[in-house]
This record gives sequence, C-alpha cells and structure tokens, in this order.
Amino acid sequence: EIVMTQSPATLSVSPGEGATLSCRASQTIYNNLAWFQHKPGQAPRLLISGASTRASGVPARFNGSGSGTEFTLTISSLQSEDFAVYYCQQYNSWPLTFGGGIKVEIK
Amino acid sequence: QVQLQESGPGLVKPSETLSLTCAVSGHSVSSNYQWGWIRQPPGKGLEWIGNFHRSDNIYYNPSLKSRVTISIDTSKNQFSLKLTSVTAADTAVYYCARRPNCGGGSCHPFDYWGQGALVTVSS
Repeated sequence: EIVMTQSPATLSVSPGEGATLSCRASQTIYNNLAWFQHKPGQAPRLLISGASTRASGVPARFNGSGSGTEFTLTISSLQSEDFAVYYCQQYNSWPLTFGGGIKVEIK
Repeated sequence: QVQLQESGPGLVKPSETLSLTCAVSGHSVSSNYQWGWIRQPPGKGLEWIGNFHRSDNIYYNPSLKSRVTISIDTSKNQFSLKLTSVTAADTAVYYCARRPNCGGGSCHPFDYWGQGALVTVSS
C-alpha cells in the first residue's frame, strides 16, 4: 500500500496571502496524484489531477506541481472560500489512498 | 450534469450489515466508468472502500475486503454498498463517487462525488 503523507496538518493564513501544501508518497506514483478541497457538509471537490492539471472551473490561483514522490499544491492569494481541508490522493495503484489532509484556516 | 446521492439507514446496530445506495443521474452506471465508495470517520481523513466497474473488475480496500460488497443495478441506475459485521469503528460519513476508467495509458481520480451520508453504528 502506498502511504500518502501531507504536511503541515494545519496552515494558518491571512486572506490575500499564499499557501503551500505538501504531499509525499511512500513510493513513486509518477504523476498519478489528485488534490481535493473538502468543506464541512459538502462533497469533496476535485481541484487537480495528473499532479498539475486543474479540473474544470477551478480558479487559476490553484497550482499543482511535482512528480514521483513529492508534490505541492500552491494557492496564491487565498480567498474566503478557499479555507477548507485539502487532501491529496494517489491513483497509481490499488488500494487507492489519501493523505491525512491539511486544514487551511484563517489566521 | 452528473449527480450522485447516497441514501440508507443512518443508524445501524453493532454486528449488523450497513447498506447504502447511490443514485446516479445525468450519467449511466453502465458506461465505461468506475463507481466507488469512500468514507470519513468523525474527525479523521478519507478512506477508500472500493470500486466497481464490471463484475470482473472490482477492487476493495484490503482492510475491509472480507466485509465489503459493491454491486450495481443498471435498471435503476444506481450502485450499492454492503458492509457486514459493523462495529463503532465503522461510524462515518459515506461518500459515493465516479471515477473515469483508465485508458490510453492514463488513469484518473474521482471526479464527481455525492454529498455524503452519515451512518452511526450504535445499539
């Protein structure tokens, strides 16, 4: 099983500032990595697939990068609607696995 | 517009079977997509349960494999989850989701999710 590790667990950011979220895989997953945004009471929302491809309708301030085992989600100039929990997920091999999540909160 | 909606009992007794259904609209469950279940225990992260494509293409999380069954009802355009012998540890919000099938050398993540259904295991 591929273990996904996200850091930090919590990120305190002021509106308008940028944020960098990290995700590490225990073995190579090439670029088979997705990022999801999850708000309480809502369905998780796909932001990024293929490590760097924004899903339809996702604002350009969300950028994914990385390959192999190290990945990053960068959010430039956080808006109020961006405060949420962010999960990375590998879909390179079974079982599909998620990281533990990063809570981006208002500073 | 693709929509998924989970339904089922919100309370299940320990040792009994948890049963949930995911109704799909705007897309056929018979198409070349995988249909999956994911759960989130209170205060914890997301855990993948399993995916169904065809009867010969089903994948389950090894940690749950002995207790899980996912099936599809094409006549009702829905798919279901059954989890047997539940305990309090199975208390969670259960999500259903759609995943495009791998093809052309590339794979894809879940792209549409339901809103989730809270299932509590308690006597």
